[in-house]
Amino acid sequence: KNEVEQSPQNLTAQEGEFITINCSYSVGISALHWLQQHPGGGIVSLFMLSSGKKKHGRLIATINIQEKHSSLHITASHPRDSAVYICAVSRNTGNQFYFGTGTSLTVIP
Amino acid sequence: DGGITQSPKYLFRKEGQNVTLSCEQNLNHDAMYWYRQDPGQGLRLIYYSQIVNDFQKGDIAEGYSVSREKKESFPLTVTSAQKNPTAFYLCASSIRRTSGVYDNEQFFGPGTRLTVL
Repeated sequence: KNEVEQSPQNLTAQEGEFITINCSYSVGISALHWLQQHPGGGIVSLFMLSSGKKKHGRLIATINIQEKHSSLHITASHPRDSAVYICAVSRNTGNQFYFGTGTSLTVIP
Repeated sequence: DGGITQSPKYLFRKEGQNVTLSCEQNLNHDAMYWYRQDPGQGLRLIYYSQIVNDFQKGDIAEGYSVSREKKESFPLTVTSAQKNPTAFYLCASSIRRTSGVYDNEQFFGPGTRLTVL
């Protein structure tokens, strides 16, 4: 069983749609991370959060520590948002991260 | 510009050969990591190093070796003992974790795609 589960695995949306990607985890964490991986393979960090909600432009990330659940929302989606979105958690012990399998998002013009 | 570089971007290897993947960072980060990414799976940790001349095995270290002679560099050698080396390899770095609630984020390189022929 993976420590981090994401859904959906694949997502296709029309430009302008509101998108939600979900992440559940089963271990104690010190922080949860949302990452973006473009087709070339490089990964960039979008959010790091341990409580509440963060917003960058059209992206919003929320976390519910009690329910061990996080969501990434994209408002007014655009084709350039097409990428793989990865949820990861870092734990209190050690310096290791645990990664979800990713959600592949395609936004159609 | 500060960042992490990995080379080469694409690498082809014949079975039975060792190959070394380069990872360099100029972010002055203490910790460096190597991950492997396979289709349909999350990133898996191969090795990590928190300080120079020290490194620890991750979840899938068999068939791999690393060194950390300089703070800026953390090369990964894929040996012939690695049974399924074809994968995408990502290097990352972070400031050494300090006590407290918040972990520092990891910064990733562009990756190296290794194919065994």
